[in-house]
Formats: sequence, C-alpha cells, structure tokens
Amino acid sequence: EVRLVESGGGLVQPGGSLRLSCAASGFAFGNYAMSWVRQPPGRGLEGVSGISGSGDDTYYANSVKGRFTVSRDNSKNTLYLHLKSLRVEDTAVYYCAKGGQLGYWGRGTLVTVSS
Amino acid sequence: DVVVTQSPLSLPVTLGQPASISCRSSQSLVYSDGSTFLNWFHQRPGQSPRRLFYKVSNRDSGVPDRFSGSGSGTDFTLKISRVEAEDVGVYYCMQGTHWPFTFGQGTNLEIK
Repeated sequence: EVRLVESGGGLVQPGGSLRLSCAASGFAFGNYAMSWVRQPPGRGLEGVSGISGSGDDTYYANSVKGRFTVSRDNSKNTLYLHLKSLRVEDTAVYYCAKGGQLGYWGRGTLVTVSS
Repeated sequence: DVVVTQSPLSLPVTLGQPASISCRSSQSLVYSDGSTFLNWFHQRPGQSPRRLFYKVSNRDSGVPDRFSGSGSGTDFTLKISRVEAEDVGVYYCMQGTHWPFTFGQGTNLEIK
C-alpha cells in the first residue's frame, strides 16, 4: 500500500524558514518523480515543485522560485521541501504526491506564516 | 503558465441525476509523445485530494464506473451518470503536460 506522510509544518514568522519532509513507503521510491502541491485555507490547489526520481531535475512554480528548494534522499525514501524567506501568502497545507501526475497524496502538513 | 478553466464552479445536483464538469486549457495538452496529461481529482471536505482519472480517461483503481472522463486537445469533460451522496465535494482538473502543472479553480458539487 502506498503511504505518504508529511511532517515539519508549523507557525513561522514572515522571513523565516522551515523544512518539510515526506516519508514514502509501499512503492519503489527512487523510480518515481515526486511533487509538492499546496492549498491555502479554503482555496484551491497550486503546484509548487517537482523532482525527478534521480533528483537530477527539479521544477518550481514562479511564486516560489529562488525561495523553496526540493530534494530527496532515495536511501531514506524521503522527499524534502526547504522553505525560506516565507511570506504570509505561503500559508497553506502542503501535500506531497507520487509522480508527476499525482497518483497518491499524503494528508498534508500545515504551514502558517504569521507575525 | 497554462491556464485551466473549469465550469461550472458550483454544481447542485439531485441524487440519481447526471452531472457534468467542463475543463478547458489555454493551450493544447498534447505532449511530444502524443500523450495528453489531463487528470481529474476529487476532494471531500477535510480530506486530501484523490485522483479519479489520468491521461483524460484512464480510471484510477476503485473509482466507480458511473464516472467517466473524455476530451482532447484543450477541451475536457468529467461526467457522473448518476450522482450519489458520496460524490459531494470539490472536483479539480489538472494539466500535467506543461510545467508548472496547473489546476482548475475547482467545482463544488452538492446535493440539492
């Protein structure tokens, strides 16, 4: 059974940093691209970042480029998203999802950016 | 970025009646290999999104066959032949052909 479990969210001040993690199990993690998607409270979905199975190729939405960094450790079956220079508008539930076509999703972790 | 537009945004439906959601993209979603990466998701209140269809019309495991996906190029449709109570929630289409992948605004299906 595919399982994705996000962690690392919390309350952070504007300008602050966080590292989100996504622990994966139930599939050959290193063989799949992975994605991060976020959802502000009461709003729709936004693609944030993607990374190839090897980690060699990464992709970012314009809204986070230069501030967020995606990475992965295939030996630990874990995906990461490093968030820095956080803004109030980055407040959202952050989901990790399997593949570039988002076949499976975790339950998400809430990031709140507020002073 | 590719703009994905859904309609309607609100969809009240009587139980047992059909429902249809339209999804249009600002450019063709046909990839260089001929595939069309248009996916549909369903999100119930308080839950994570769940994928229903990938590449337009390929039904994910466990999705009832009263759901169908169709379309090509820039114009796509999700249909429910007979709405059941468990179908309430927000439906999103998403294009995965062009980075960044982008979602429609969402269609809120409710029971009349």
